[in-house]
Amino acid sequence: AQSVAQPEDQVNVAEGNPLTVKCTYSVSGNPYLFWYVQYPNRGLQFLLKYITGDNLVKGSYGFEAEFNKSQTSFHLKKPSALVSDSALYFCAVSPFNTDKLIFGTGTRLQVFP
Amino acid sequence: EAQVTQNPRYLITVTGKKLTVTCSQNMNHEYMSWYRQDPGLGLRQIYYSMNVEVTDKGDVPEGYKVSRKEKRNFPLILESPSPNQTSLYFCASSYRGRAFFGQGTRLTVV
Repeated sequence: AQSVAQPEDQVNVAEGNPLTVKCTYSVSGNPYLFWYVQYPNRGLQFLLKYITGDNLVKGSYGFEAEFNKSQTSFHLKKPSALVSDSALYFCAVSPFNTDKLIFGTGTRLQVFP
Repeated sequence: EAQVTQNPRYLITVTGKKLTVTCSQNMNHEYMSWYRQDPGLGLRQIYYSMNVEVTDKGDVPEGYKVSRKEKRNFPLILESPSPNQTSLYFCASSYRGRAFFGQGTRLTVV
């Protein structure tokens, strides 16, 4: 079965420190990979996507994600966290040539001042 | 501006009283979908539509209906809501996985 795993329910990091939010997936073929963010009382917003090419993808708000095909992972990273980055982050996978999105369960990022 | 408009934002209703949540997009996307978000379960797809008059079940379709008579609109219908349908609902319009989400509808069924 196709699935996306986000192993951490919550990630805590101090402001200014680097952050990583983990994601692994189990989808056949060459899927498209996404990160979405949800701020309190808001809908989900697109952060970044990987389709092909360079394994390091840059997105909005200084976030980037690293694709690792052998580990089927797509971890979200940021070199220096901000308090305003505190939100719920979802990893999502779209099987090749479809519009369907399969979401992980989400990771709450808490950045402390 | 690319937009998905969902209404209402908040809704409290009683068991068995039919309700409709509306969703409209202005991007001419063919693919639209409905999700529910529950703590610890992430987003689960309820129904999706690949084009006008083409709809199909997602992962958790029981108790829901949809229709797609026009490309821009994709309403979610609960014919007889039950308390286990209390949740946060999102409509999305997408192209190749790049999704635009509505603001969400927080539904409470008592």
